[in-house]
Amino acid sequence: RKEVEQDPGPFNVPEGATVAFNCTYSNSASQSFFWYRQDCRKEPKLLMSVYSSGNEDGRFTAQLNRASQYISLLIRDSKLSDSATYLCVVLERGFQKLVFGTGTRLLVSP
Amino acid sequence: GAVVSQHPSWVICKSGTSVKIECRSLDFQATTMFWYRQFPKQSLMLMATSNEGSKATYEQGVEKDKFLINHASLTLSTLTVTSAHPEDSSFYICSAAGDGLNTEAFFGQGTRLTVV
Repeated sequence: RKEVEQDPGPFNVPEGATVAFNCTYSNSASQSFFWYRQDCRKEPKLLMSVYSSGNEDGRFTAQLNRASQYISLLIRDSKLSDSATYLCVVLERGFQKLVFGTGTRLLVSP
Repeated sequence: GAVVSQHPSWVICKSGTSVKIECRSLDFQATTMFWYRQFPKQSLMLMATSNEGSKATYEQGVEKDKFLINHASLTLSTLTVTSAHPEDSSFYICSAAGDGLNTEAFFGQGTRLTVV
């Protein structure tokens, strides 16, 4: 089983749609969780950290469920500029390992 | 956010030569640095984790004698691809993290290596 698993997609959605991504992780000792965005041939950039209480940043909402070991990202009112690959990232305890999911590709069309 | 500078951004080298990639944290002390490799249409794959002043911890399948990692200071880590071959052609990215819980990891711009 992979340490961090994501549906690779692609998710094809029209502008204005709401889309949700899930990510599961296998190491229950994982410490911190993030969603990164990566555009083609560019470095990943932090989108948001994920906290147990859930957090929201504009159109983006992230949730963490430690009991079920999954993380979610919800994007509301999709924009064309949201088209990218979204990477689920798990930081394991003591900074021993920062593990990326395979990424979920999102394509927002007019 | 914090800045991590990685260079060169791209390099072309002959097969058999060595290439050094630098990763610098410009405005924070990077306790831990991660080195990743990304092949086309694939995700980032962790190659190794290094802590300042310690030997790097390599992931399974990554040759430590081929990919030399040095993390001599809290602001600089280097990855040297020794005796590069065409199959080493890839996108290499470093990431740096400081201390503390929920610390973000900041990424360099990446280095596109082409071995001919």
